[in-house]
Amino acid sequence: SQQGEEDPQALSIQEGENATMNCSYKTSINNLQWYRQNSGRGLVHLILIRSNEREKHSGRLRVTLDTSKKSSSLLITASRAADTASYFCATDFGGSQGNLIFGKGTKLSVKP
Amino acid sequence: NAGVTQTPKFQVLKTGQSMTLQCAQDMNHEYMSWYRQDPGMGLRLIHYSVGAGITDQGEVPNGYNVSRSTTEDFPLRLLSAAPSQTSVYFCASHGTGRAKNIQYFGAGTRLSVL
Repeated sequence: SQQGEEDPQALSIQEGENATMNCSYKTSINNLQWYRQNSGRGLVHLILIRSNEREKHSGRLRVTLDTSKKSSSLLITASRAADTASYFCATDFGGSQGNLIFGKGTKLSVKP
Repeated sequence: NAGVTQTPKFQVLKTGQSMTLQCAQDMNHEYMSWYRQDPGMGLRLIHYSVGAGITDQGEVPNGYNVSRSTTEDFPLRLLSAAPSQTSVYFCASHGTGRAKNIQYFGAGTRLSVL
């Protein structure tokens, strides 16, 4: 399978701590995206990093990409209870239709 | 802005029944997709469309049909529901251009097949 794999599967932290989630994939990519899913809701796009980028920031989010290791990480700094959700990485392998391959997700729980 | 709208939100079917899951988007996106989400499996692509009149199969297409007669609508049909099709179904759309495959998701349809 070309599916990305997130690690860890579940993560529980206290408010104010940083949360780091990792994603590994198997073949070369055009870009890698991170999505968030609150319980019972659809996925929401967070950030996109292209294959020629190494790091990207958006507010409290920091994403890194290491194409040599075929891996990415998502860092959420100063986490809040409202960050409790599942986080998915999705990879674009370059098909003309733009389809993404989603990983199985990391379930983050931030305790107040 | 409605974005991607899915109906119904919940549905219970008996084995062998048929139904259509509706999906509509108001962003004029060319690309639309259907995924299913099962515990521990992530999202798996069922069918997708790159424009009106054009559809193709994804990773898990068996048991599902789609059509795309307009840019806005992309219904998913279950012809004869099976318990293995119990899942949460998500419709998504994306546009073209530099960020062409940033996907916008509906809220999902939770389907139980008894």
